[in-house]
Amino acid sequence: EIVLTQSPGTLSLSPGERATLSCRASQSVSSSYLAWYQQKPGQAPRLLIYGASSRATGIPDRFSGSGSGTDFTLTISRLEPEDFAVYYCQQYGSSPRLTFGGGTKVEIK
Amino acid sequence: EVQLVESGGGLVQPGGSLRLSCAASGFTFSSYAMNWVRQGPGKGLEWVSIISGNGGSTSYADSVKGRFTISRDNSKNTLYLQMNSLRAEDTAVYYCAKRHISGYYFFDYWGQGTLVTVSS
Repeated sequence: EIVLTQSPGTLSLSPGERATLSCRASQSVSSSYLAWYQQKPGQAPRLLIYGASSRATGIPDRFSGSGSGTDFTLTISRLEPEDFAVYYCQQYGSSPRLTFGGGTKVEIK
Repeated sequence: EVQLVESGGGLVQPGGSLRLSCAASGFTFSSYAMNWVRQGPGKGLEWVSIISGNGGSTSYADSVKGRFTISRDNSKNTLYLQMNSLRAEDTAVYYCAKRHISGYYFFDYWGQGTLVTVSS
């Protein structure tokens, strides 16, 4: 099973700042089959990025994904008030045994 | 508009059973693999199970294998999760999630979730 480790656990930033979230895999994720989700309190997760760098439908271009192999990054170029949430990465290279990272909380500083 | 609506959650004693349902609309249900993903209180996401579009193929996380059964009724556009021998650690919000149109195993639509509490 591929284990995904997200860091940092919590990121304290101000609106307008840049956020950089990391997701590291215990083994190489084939074909960059990695997705990112955003989850707000009391809501279901929302798909942001798939294939490591492709934005899902309707996702603003301030969200971008990069990386390959075992190291992946989600970047939010300029934080908007609605971006403060928890973010999860998910690998689907070893489908159907899918795994998620533990999450990174982006909170208002 | 795609909609996924879970139901069937509640309070159950350890060792008990519960069946969750997920009513789907707004897409051709039988064309998509469907999943259950859960989230324990204050915890992260855990994939639970997947079923193919025609119901002929299933897979489970090790933590639920042998206790949970995923199924679907394409005539009713409904996904199910039969949960037996429930344990305290199964306490979670259970989401149904639709596989992305690309066919890869990530999720473009999620339901609002149903809470399962296993406690005496």
